[in-house]
Amino acid sequence: QVQLQESGPGLVKPSETLSLTCAVSGYSISSGYYWGWIRQPPGKGLEWIGSIYHSGSTYYNPSLKSRVTISVDTSKNQFSLKLSSVTAADTAVYYCARGPDSSGSLDYWGQGTLVTVSS
Amino acid sequence: AIRMTQSPSSLSASTGDRVTITCRASQGISSYLAWYQQKPGKAPKLLIYAASTLQSGVPSRFSGSGSGTDFTLTISCLQSEDFATYYCQQYYSYPTFGGGTKVEIK
Repeated sequence: QVQLQESGPGLVKPSETLSLTCAVSGYSISSGYYWGWIRQPPGKGLEWIGSIYHSGSTYYNPSLKSRVTISVDTSKNQFSLKLSSVTAADTAVYYCARGPDSSGSLDYWGQGTLVTVSS
Repeated sequence: AIRMTQSPSSLSASTGDRVTITCRASQGISSYLAWYQQKPGKAPKLLIYAASTLQSGVPSRFSGSGSGTDFTLTISCLQSEDFATYYCQQYYSYPTFGGGTKVEIK
């Protein structure tokens, strides 16, 4: 059974960098699929942030591209998100997920982690 | 960005009802559309992809149809566990989601 688990600080100060990691179990990232990040501000809808393939190829939401970096560590079977220069508008539940394509549907999701941007 | 518009934003229904949710894309997306179910405090769950293909393990009372710009999700016989918020997602270009439809108990 494929499982994803997000981890990282729940509180980040404005202008700093948000960093999250998604640990994958039950499936080897090196075997394929794309691995992505999605966020959901409290009480609002979903926003796709970007995705990565095990080779390191990345695909980003154009509206966030200048601030986002997604990386993969196949030796640890995990991938990571960095979002720089955060503001209160970046406060959200952040989900990691798996998909068959760089920008396709997402079949396995982590439980999500709330990140609050506040001083 | 391709904008996805769902309607209604909320609806009240009873167990056993047939429920239809609509999703409209701001431009043609062929069949690159998925539907998700989300319950409070939980991650979204994939129900349907490619507009009409049922994800493994999803009950057959869920069905999807449409292509181009207009799509529907139908729940043929609403069960208690189906009360949730439903989102459509296009993946013709970088993914965008609809605003959600909350299905509440009448």
